[in-house]
Amino acid sequence: DIHMTQSPSSLSASVGDRVTITCRASQSISSNLNWYQQTPGKAPKLLIYGASSLQSGVPSRFSGSGSGTDFTLTISSLHPEDFGTYHCQQSYTTPYTFGQGTKLEIK
Amino acid sequence: QVQLQETGPGLVKPSETLSLTCNVTGYSISRGYYWGWIRQPPGKGLEWIGSMYHSGSNYYNPSLKSRVTISVDPSKNQFSLRLSSVIAADTAVYYCARSASRIFDSWGQGILVTVSS
Repeated sequence: DIHMTQSPSSLSASVGDRVTITCRASQSISSNLNWYQQTPGKAPKLLIYGASSLQSGVPSRFSGSGSGTDFTLTISSLHPEDFGTYHCQQSYTTPYTFGQGTKLEIK
Repeated sequence: QVQLQETGPGLVKPSETLSLTCNVTGYSISRGYYWGWIRQPPGKGLEWIGSMYHSGSNYYNPSLKSRVTISVDPSKNQFSLRLSSVIAADTAVYYCARSASRIFDSWGQGILVTVSS
């Protein structure tokens, strides 16, 4: 299985901050990396697919980059509704695997 | 807009079979896409269980393959999960989801299933 590691596991930030979350794959997955946002009690929501493509309806303050084994999700300026947990997922091969999640909290 | 909703018992006894159904509205399963299940144990990350194409081909996580069956009922526009011989470690929130190109673009709200006697 491809193991996905996110860092940090948690972070505190303030509204307006720029935030970067990293995801590393245990082997190359090309650009087959997706990001999801999960707010408490809700289902995950697709934000970014193919490492850098913004899902329809997702604000442009979200962006993704990377290829191979190292990927980043950046939020350019945090809004109050952005707090929650972010998950990366590799779609390169089965079994599809997720990172352990990064919990983004209000400072 | 497609919507998915999981239904099923919230409590299952150890060694029994967990059965969940996902009702799909706003999109016909027969038109395409893969339909699958993902779970999240309390306080832990997401785990892909398996996915099935509307025509019948399916893919399961090898870690669960011996216990999992996913089936699709196009006439009811729903699909189902069966997980046999459950143990406490199968306690989780179970999500149904639609995927295209292995990307999960629509999810149900999730249902908590507890395995306990």
